[in-house]
Amino acid sequence: KQEVTQIPAALSVPEGENLVLNCSFTDSAIYNLQWFRQDPGKGLTSLLLIQSSQREQTSGRLNASLDKSSGRSTLYIAASQPGDSATYLCAVLNNAGNMLTFGGGTRLMVKP
Amino acid sequence: SAVISQKPSRDICQRGTSLTIQCQVDSQVTMMFWYRQQPGQSLTLIATANQGSEATYESGFVIDKFPISRPNLTFSTLTVSNMSPEDSSIYLCSVEVFTRNTEAFFGQGTRLTVV
Repeated sequence: KQEVTQIPAALSVPEGENLVLNCSFTDSAIYNLQWFRQDPGKGLTSLLLIQSSQREQTSGRLNASLDKSSGRSTLYIAASQPGDSATYLCAVLNNAGNMLTFGGGTRLMVKP
Repeated sequence: SAVISQKPSRDICQRGTSLTIQCQVDSQVTMMFWYRQQPGQSLTLIATANQGSEATYESGFVIDKFPISRPNLTFSTLTVSNMSPEDSSIYLCSVEVFTRNTEAFFGQGTRLTVV
């Protein structure tokens, strides 16, 4: 059974810092990995999707990497802003494409 | 991509009552997924809903408690039945869009509080 772990569970940084969120998964037989953002009490917004054959994806100040063989992904946020404060979730999709397994999330607070 | 409209966005309900959550997608999709997110927790899959067939429930979730309808390829409902305070959670519907990638999209969520 796939297990996804995110470290740290919570993170508080001053504005302007670069930061790294970590995601690890136990079964490397994945189809893809997605990073989501969730604001309090809201739904999920897709940030980046990395196919299993890819190493990284970039969108603006966000960069996600994937090391499938070691079961790890990182989300790098450059020059953090207070508006980045949210919970960040990673999720892996199995090869059958019918099961998305989520990590516990990292709750990020960026202080002005 | 897919745009998902989920209603209601939030509700406060009395214990013992039922609430039906609606999910409308702007395109036809084969599978729709319903998740529960308990306070401070990550997402747990409740069931997968295919059009024209019974929903497939994950371990720990049963049809009597969470009946699901999927009348067509763009719409689904989840009912939370005979609610108790333990059902207080965010409920989310999701679809997967199979284009060049297989990407998951989510509705805005329904924040349910049972009193």
